[in-house]
Amino acid sequence: EAGVTQFPSHSVIEKGQTVTLRCDPISGHDNLYWYRRVMGKEIKFLLHFVKESKQDESGMPNNRFLAERTGGTYSTLKVQPAELEDSGVYFCASSQDFNQPQHFGDGTRLSIL
Amino acid sequence: GESVGLHLPTLSVQEGDNSIINCAYSNSASDYFIWYKQESGKGPQFIIDIRSNMDKRQGQRVTVLLNKTVKHLSLQIAATQPGDSAVYFCAENMPYSGGGADGLTFGKGTHLIIQP
Repeated sequence: EAGVTQFPSHSVIEKGQTVTLRCDPISGHDNLYWYRRVMGKEIKFLLHFVKESKQDESGMPNNRFLAERTGGTYSTLKVQPAELEDSGVYFCASSQDFNQPQHFGDGTRLSIL
Repeated sequence: GESVGLHLPTLSVQEGDNSIINCAYSNSASDYFIWYKQESGKGPQFIIDIRSNMDKRQGQRVTVLLNKTVKHLSLQIAATQPGDSAVYFCAENMPYSGGGADGLTFGKGTHLIIQP
């Protein structure tokens, strides 16, 4: 069974540009989560999808971040326009049900110059 | 690496010894707890979980203990091997309410170093 995959693994962009991160969850997992770790901080929750519906986006930092999961399969996280403080590692995780083990991808390392 | 700038407590043990990693969790309402292992350049890897109606759960070479009275979680790794070297995170989650706070809350992590 394939695990959670994320693309790209690294992204370096300039401040003000747009970047889109992609996450493919484990097949059959309805629950999909985005997290991020910025330098010197713990991993923090961003938002939670069940199928294509956003269940909780309380962790999204501001309206420059937009997550979608059209069709309830893969998800994208777009940052527009990117700011310096957005640099960090963005993780995606999926689970079969809520409060079942969340399985993480290897993350996208985002650097804003 | 990812841990640069994140000052983690470090636990150094001899290969073959047992290790115990401790975690204090924050929310008394949390009812689900997970331990993750993270190696450099990788995402958190699930090790073991425990629900609040239990105080102990065992896996292969690992045991998780939960003390709800003092909000403490520990991970015991038996007969440590070089491959156990990694950063270990505890994470907690509250019951699903539909009102937000769906995600895991992660601890700061502990860097486990296995000495040959």
